Amino acid sequence: DAKTTQPNSMESNEEEPVHLPCNHSTISGTDYIHWYRQLPSQGPEYVIHGLTSNVNNRMASLAIAEDRKSSTLILHRATLRDAAVYYCILRRTLQGGSEKLVFGKGTKLTVNP
Amino acid sequence: KAGVTQTPRYLIKTRGQQVTLSCSPISGHRSVSWYQQTPGQGLQFLFEYFSETQRNKGNFPGRFSGRQFSNSRSEMNVSTLELGDSALYLCASSFYPGQGIYEQYFGPGTRLTVT
Repeated sequence: DAKTTQPNSMESNEEEPVHLPCNHSTISGTDYIHWYRQLPSQGPEYVIHGLTSNVNNRMASLAIAEDRKSSTLILHRATLRDAAVYYCILRRTLQGGSEKLVFGKGTKLTVNP
Repeated sequence: KAGVTQTPRYLIKTRGQQVTLSCSPISGHRSVSWYQQTPGQGLQFLFEYFSETQRNKGNFPGRFSGRQFSNSRSEMNVSTLELGDSALYLCASSFYPGQGIYEQYFGPGTRLTVT
């Protein structure tokens, strides 16, 4: 079954870039890679998603390996407000249009001032 | 525009009881998904509803069920509660499920404690 693997925790200093890795070696050709983050005492919030090409938005960048078996979420300049648990998710569309969502356990990012 | 709301925010129940949690999606959103979050297992997908129909279901026992109403509001029910059902239950809404939908909006969750 599809699965994502992330490190349990990572630490960064404020104003420095952060690279959060995710392995998804069983990804299939039509699976989308999504990243969400969850701040303390809040529900998760969308960060970014991609299929094959690297993606950029105002929050982050997503680098997808050529074989799509791994991806990296990049926060260009970490701030204290970026301290959260980051989830790497595979979204698989099944026959009939329904979807199966496969979550990693998440990486807890600590940002040091 | 108001976000996803979930009621109640906190709930304490006893083993063997049943519980119903409620979710009101963002206005105009027709797809509602439910997730269970525990420290050990992280976020796990429960089920997704669209137009009052369950479209997808995670690997949870039949004690977990849900439904969606014509106004897109959704409820989930857990019968015969077990201690292991203690968790944060999150609801998320989006316009439509399926391809092209990339962003779900999550509510703050309902914290269920089973004693």
